Amino acid sequence: AQSVTQPDIHITVSEGASLELRCNYSYGATPYLFWYVQSPGQGLQLLLKYFSGDTLVQGIKGFEAEFKRSQSSFNLRKPSVHWSDAAEYFCAVAPSGGYQKVTFGTGTKLQVIP
Amino acid sequence: NAGVMQNPRHLVRRRGQEARLRCSPMKGHSHVYWYRQLPEEGLKFMVYLQKENIIDESGMPKERFSAEFPKEGPSILRIQQVVRGDSAAYFCASSPPVEGRSDGYTFGSGTRLTVV
Repeated sequence: AQSVTQPDIHITVSEGASLELRCNYSYGATPYLFWYVQSPGQGLQLLLKYFSGDTLVQGIKGFEAEFKRSQSSFNLRKPSVHWSDAAEYFCAVAPSGGYQKVTFGTGTKLQVIP
Repeated sequence: NAGVMQNPRHLVRRRGQEARLRCSPMKGHSHVYWYRQLPEEGLKFMVYLQKENIIDESGMPKERFSAEFPKEGPSILRIQQVVRGDSAAYFCASSPPVEGRSDGYTFGSGTRLTVV
């Protein structure tokens, strides 16, 4: 069965600093990978997704993620964090074919301080 | 070009009552997924439906919970005889009928159920 681990429950960064959120997955083959962001009281918004090809994926809001097969990781990065990036971030995995069930990690809450 | 519409946004029910949560997928989307988010937890899969078919309900509690996606109208998640532990945010997502690839879901804003 597929699973996702986000080892950091909370992260605090200063505005303007760089950010990296960790994600590790477990799946028998190369899965489809996603990052979503959730603002308080809101639904989830897709930041970026990886299906195949270039392992560095660009997303919205200046985010990027890198797929590393050898480490089973799909870490999310941003070079300079803005206060509006404070939210909860979810990594997710889905099978690479057929049925589209998506499994989510438990999330990382990002706090941005001035 | 509305997104996934969920209503109500907030729902308060007394223990023992029924809760009905509605989800209208994006135009052109025929696959609907329901997830539950408990406080301080991630999203847990509940059920995957296509029009008039339940494809995967492996995440649904065995009792009191049911879901449908009729030929016409929204998808409904029904919780009978609610208990305090049912208090959570329930999210619906939809996707187009693309076989062999998951484009990622489009989520609704959720229904926050509070059982008092």
